[in-house]
Amino acid sequence: KNEVEQSPQNLTAQEGEFITINCSYSVGISALHWLQQHPGGGIVSLFMLSSGKKKHGRLIATINIQEKHSSLHITASHPRDSAVYICAVTTSSGSARQLTFGSGTQLTVLP
Amino acid sequence: NAGVTQTPKFRILKIGQSMTLQCTQDMNHNYMYWYRQDPGMGLKLIYYSVGAGITDKGEVPNGYNVSRSTTEDFPLRLELAAPSQTSVYFCAIALGFGYTFGSGTRLTVV
Repeated sequence: KNEVEQSPQNLTAQEGEFITINCSYSVGISALHWLQQHPGGGIVSLFMLSSGKKKHGRLIATINIQEKHSSLHITASHPRDSAVYICAVTTSSGSARQLTFGSGTQLTVLP
Repeated sequence: NAGVTQTPKFRILKIGQSMTLQCTQDMNHNYMYWYRQDPGMGLKLIYYSVGAGITDKGEVPNGYNVSRSTTEDFPLRLELAAPSQTSVYFCAIALGFGYTFGSGTRLTVV
């Protein structure tokens, strides 16, 4: 069983829809990260969370430490949001902040 | 991805050949990483470094070597390329608020 599980694997939405991507983890963590991988392959950090909720523009990330679960929400989705969204954790046992990754969620937003 | 430069972007190798993937950062950060990404799988850690002269194995180190003689450079060496090393490779650095990734190297071993 993977230490970081994401769902769904693939998601297709219509422009304007509210989108939720889920991430569950089975290890102790010091932080959880949401990353975005563009169709060209580049990876960028979106959020780093250790508790609560963060918002940046139309993106909202939440984490529930007790339930070992995080969600990434996109409000008023747009075709430019189409990308792979990756959940990753830095484990509390890791000494060098190395990341353990989920397998990603491919999001396609149709106009 | 400002701050982390990876070269080359693409490479085709024959089985048994060797090559070095270059990673250079200009942000003076200590923590650097090499990950590989295979289709449908999460990125896997190959090697990491917490500073010049210090490296350690990650989850999938077999077939690879690294060195860290300076803070800026963290090259990844493939000595005897095998088809199983066909993948996309990413170098990354840890920042206080997240990570910065290089643009990736797409390697095919034939």
